[in-house]
Amino acid sequence: EPEVTQTPSHQVTQMGQEVILRCVPISNHLYFYWYRQILGQKVEFLVSFYNNEISEKSEIFDDQFSVERPDGSNFTLKIRSTKLEDSAMYFCASSESAGGSYEQYFGPGTRLTVT
Amino acid sequence: AQSVAQPEDQVNVAEGNPLTVKCTYSVSGNPYLFWYVQYPNRGLQFLLKYITGDNLVKGSYGFEAEFNKSQTSFHLKKPSALVSDSALYFCAVRDIDSGAGSYQLTFGKGTKLSVIP
Repeated sequence: EPEVTQTPSHQVTQMGQEVILRCVPISNHLYFYWYRQILGQKVEFLVSFYNNEISEKSEIFDDQFSVERPDGSNFTLKIRSTKLEDSAMYFCASSESAGGSYEQYFGPGTRLTVT
Repeated sequence: AQSVAQPEDQVNVAEGNPLTVKCTYSVSGNPYLFWYVQYPNRGLQFLLKYITGDNLVKGSYGFEAEFNKSQTSFHLKKPSALVSDSALYFCAVRDIDSGAGSYQLTFGKGTKLSVIP
């Protein structure tokens, strides 16, 4: 069964450093998402991406964040200058098509630790 | 705005007994509702969804959920729990009327299900 993959599984970085989290969505999916979960808190939406542009973003997704689909398979989340409060589990997801009725398929997550 | 509440942080049930994991939601319009399960070191796995139609929806691994519009609930159920069902369960909602291009899911905090042998 196809699945979303994410690398690395765990990333440790120092405050102020740039990090790139990588995702490979399911191959025939068209919509891509990033969510995050701070330890002990809810899974929160960050951004959705379709047709090479952001379709929606939350208030969390400020100028420090960016997303890119550099080729036909990868989808990346970049944090330019990490802060301690960026420490969280970051989940990538993809869905087959437009419309909120389509379920989103999630990757295993990248645990980001900012020290 | 849309929100989800999962009132129980943890649910314990004996193997073979029926289980229920509760979820209530709030949307301004009509909801799409989803249940996901997370096993240790794995991503969120889709279990089932309610879009329209029959209020009782069936999903993977013998799980089902009942949509109750008057109580704004979407409780997850299984007639007979297995030890392998032990995991973290998330309810999620999307407001159908939130506008074109808005497909974000709003999640509950999750409920840890422990099935005791």
